[in-house]
Amino acid sequence: SYELTQPPSVSVSPGQTASITCSGDKLGDKYVCWYQQKSGQSPVLVIYEDNKRPSGIPERFSGSNSGNTASLTISGTQAMDEADYYCQAWDSRVFGGGTKLTVL
Amino acid sequence: QVQLVQSGAEVKKPGSSVKVSCKASGGTFTDYSISWVRQAPGQGLEWMGGILPIFDTANYAQKFQGRVTITADKSTTTAYMELSSLRSEDTAVYYCAREVVVPAAIGSSGWFDPWGQGTLVTVSS
Repeated sequence: SYELTQPPSVSVSPGQTASITCSGDKLGDKYVCWYQQKSGQSPVLVIYEDNKRPSGIPERFSGSNSGNTASLTISGTQAMDEADYYCQAWDSRVFGGGTKLTVL
Repeated sequence: QVQLVQSGAEVKKPGSSVKVSCKASGGTFTDYSISWVRQAPGQGLEWMGGILPIFDTANYAQKFQGRVTITADKSTTTAYMELSSLRSEDTAVYYCAREVVVPAAIGSSGWFDPWGQGTLVTVSS
């Protein structure tokens, strides 16, 4: 079965840029989504089709996907962005293991 | 705007079954699919399967084949996920999510949005 690999944790200082990677075989040939899950809450879609933002998601969230790696970038990270982030390869519905983003 | 409201928490014995509901409102139920995703305590997200209510066709992740049944009732715009032969490892929060699928240059694209509030299923003797 298809597998996606994410780093377990990423730390960033407030106002800096956070980057979370998601790796999988030929991932660039697939569409990737990203979900944000804050503690005790349901996941929320933040990026779809590699780099599109749903309405209501701040412009500081962006995405890219090429080769074997997709990335979620948060520019000007705020304390409210602290959460777990999950990538998903759409064709298989498979999720990555998740990355805990700490803003400190 | 689609909203998904799930049934309440359940406590089940090992070997029994659980059926979780997901009531959709605010959209046209037959315009999209509903997927089920679970999350064990402290763990990541795991897709279980989904259903396209307009055709009553369901597909399942290989891991859950034979143990999960996903159905939908168009008259009440409610989807259901039933998991049988429960074991302690099935203790998790179970989420439903609207599955949006769109044609793409190659194949299809899609995403899960929105998600239900989650239902905690505890399997314990």
